[in-house]
Amino acid sequence: AQKVTQAQTEISVVEKEDVTLDCVYETRDTTYYLFWYKQPPSGELVFLIRRNSFDEQNEISGRYSWNFQKSTSSFNFTITASQVVDSAVYFCALINNAGNMLTFGGGTRLMVKP
Amino acid sequence: ETGVTQSPTHLIKTRGQQVTLRCSSQSGHNTVSWYQQALGQGPQFIFQYYREEENGRGNFPPRFSGLQFPNYSSELNVNALELDDSALYLCASSLWRDYEQYFGPGTRLTVT
Repeated sequence: AQKVTQAQTEISVVEKEDVTLDCVYETRDTTYYLFWYKQPPSGELVFLIRRNSFDEQNEISGRYSWNFQKSTSSFNFTITASQVVDSAVYFCALINNAGNMLTFGGGTRLMVKP
Repeated sequence: ETGVTQSPTHLIKTRGQQVTLRCSSQSGHNTVSWYQQALGQGPQFIFQYYREEENGRGNFPPRFSGLQFPNYSSELNVNALELDDSALYLCASSLWRDYEQYFGPGTRLTVT
């Protein structure tokens, strides 16, 4: 069975602060993919990043960066210099080896105040 | 390139009724997955369709059923609606075994 845990249910920061969203996962598969999605109030899930289990390199995309540590089964997401437009619910997810089922964490609601 | 579309946007049904939700996959995608997202929770996998057949199912009862058509669009049918079926239903399309799923805007179902 797979499981994704996002311990932070809600985070509130002031604009320009850095913020890290935590994600811990469990899986018995040796090959798997991890994802982060953003869900703005409109409801649509917006894909942010995919990482496979063999690639532990950290990745940076503009103000976003991701830290994948297989040893601790964590895939954390950092937003640098947060902006009000970053306010949304963020989901971490894991896809199984069969490639059909995404298992989502409970989500972290990020509120960025001006 | 056309993204994933879903209809209707919102729907209100009464307990015991039946409902059909529709999804058109992104251009070029041949696989469709459905998810249920209750308020304040993460999406839960319902099932996936590929080549018009069910390819994996989550922990949902048989009253949740689906179809995929030759043009890769899909329907989600829910019979005997219950109050707990109130949720946002998300459709995602992908290429077979590509692992990356692209989501539609969802259909918000309210059961009264």
